[in-house]
Amino acid sequence: QITLKESGPPLVKPTQTLTLTCTLSGLSISTSGVGVGWIRQPPGKALEWLAFIYWDDDKRHSPSLKTRLTITKDTSKNQVVLTMTNMDPVDTATYYCAHRHAFGGFDFWGQGTMVAVSS
Amino acid sequence: DIQMTQSPSSLSASVGDRVTITCRASQTISTYLNWYQQKPEKAPKLLIYSASSLESGVPSRFGGSGSGTDFTLTISSLQPEDFVTYYCQQSHSSPYTFGQGTKLEIK
Repeated sequence: QITLKESGPPLVKPTQTLTLTCTLSGLSISTSGVGVGWIRQPPGKALEWLAFIYWDDDKRHSPSLKTRLTITKDTSKNQVVLTMTNMDPVDTATYYCAHRHAFGGFDFWGQGTMVAVSS
Repeated sequence: DIQMTQSPSSLSASVGDRVTITCRASQTISTYLNWYQQKPEKAPKLLIYSASSLESGVPSRFGGSGSGTDFTLTISSLQPEDFVTYYCQQSHSSPYTFGQGTKLEIK
């Protein structure tokens, strides 16, 4: 069974950098074809796709956030890390990581981690 | 970026009704379209991938169709647990954008 779990601070101050970690179980991030993405959801709003990384380190980013986002993987820990710089209150959201389905889409999701941006 | 537009944004229906939710892409995406169900305070759940393929374990009352730019999610007979929010998402090209969601409400 594939599981993902997000971890990170529940609160950051404006202008700070957010670092979120997604830990995978039941699947290696190094396995051919594996991809993991980050998606966020502000309170009461829609889902927003942020970034994606493949097993071979190919990466994709949301153009609107590209200058602020970095996605990396740590194969030794089987983790995917998302960093977002210059946080703003509008970045307050639940952040999810998810496993890419073989035919696209995301079939396994973490429970999400709520991040509030406030001074 | 490919824009995904869902309609309606909210829908009132009754248990047992058949409902259809529409998703339109701003450019052709073949069948790279996925549907999710999201219950309050929970992560989304994949229902349909590749426009019409039912994800394992999803009840057969859920169905998807379409190709190119126009897609539909149909629920053939609404059950009480189906009155939640649904999202479409394109997986044709990055950024893999989501629709704005459709909230299904009990009439």
